[in-house]
Amino acid sequence: DVKVTQSSRYLVKRTGEKVFLECVQDMDHENMFWYRQDPGLGLRLIYFSYDVKMKEKGDIPEGYSVSREKKERFSLILESASTNQTSMYLCASSPLPGTEAFFGQGTRLTVV
Amino acid sequence: GEDVEQSLFLSVREGDSSVINCTYTDSSSTYLYWYKQEPGAGLQLLTYIFSNMDMKQDQRLTVLLNKKDKHLSLRIADTQTGDSAIYFCAGGSQGNLIFGKGTKLSVKP
Repeated sequence: DVKVTQSSRYLVKRTGEKVFLECVQDMDHENMFWYRQDPGLGLRLIYFSYDVKMKEKGDIPEGYSVSREKKERFSLILESASTNQTSMYLCASSPLPGTEAFFGQGTRLTVV
Repeated sequence: GEDVEQSLFLSVREGDSSVINCTYTDSSSTYLYWYKQEPGAGLQLLTYIFSNMDMKQDQRLTVLLNKKDKHLSLRIADTQTGDSAIYFCAGGSQGNLIFGKGTKLSVKP
């Protein structure tokens, strides 16, 4: 059974903190993605990666960075958390670009 | 750029059929997908259709694809309260999957 695992279901952080969201997949997929989901806005792509140590900006990369040191792990970093980054964060992986994406269970982040 | 559009809400009574519609702009999409998201959870793949097909049926689910009009629909027969969720359509070819904003399906007993 394919699996994408996000390190936390719920997270509460203070404004200005550095926040790490971790995602691990066990399917040997090349492609990994980070989205945020907000009511009425759907899924918005933050960053994606097609290979180890490779990253590309998505539609809303401002305030975020990513790290992909190993194929199975893709981390999203909020350098200095702000209240407008309160959201649901979803990680996904896929074998090829444009093909079926497998999602983690999501991390609901609240920045206070 | 590529775009996928869906209506945001749909409300049906238990036992009725639900039809969720989606329009897309990228005619080169090889596969088109329907995902389901239950409250507080990630997205799960529900079904998909290959772009050279017109219809796909999978138990209570029927997917219709009209390539000429770039219109995709998901029909859920005999809708149950457990079908209440947000449904996303998505398409992609060489690039990343593009998701619609999601249709929230509410099923009333």
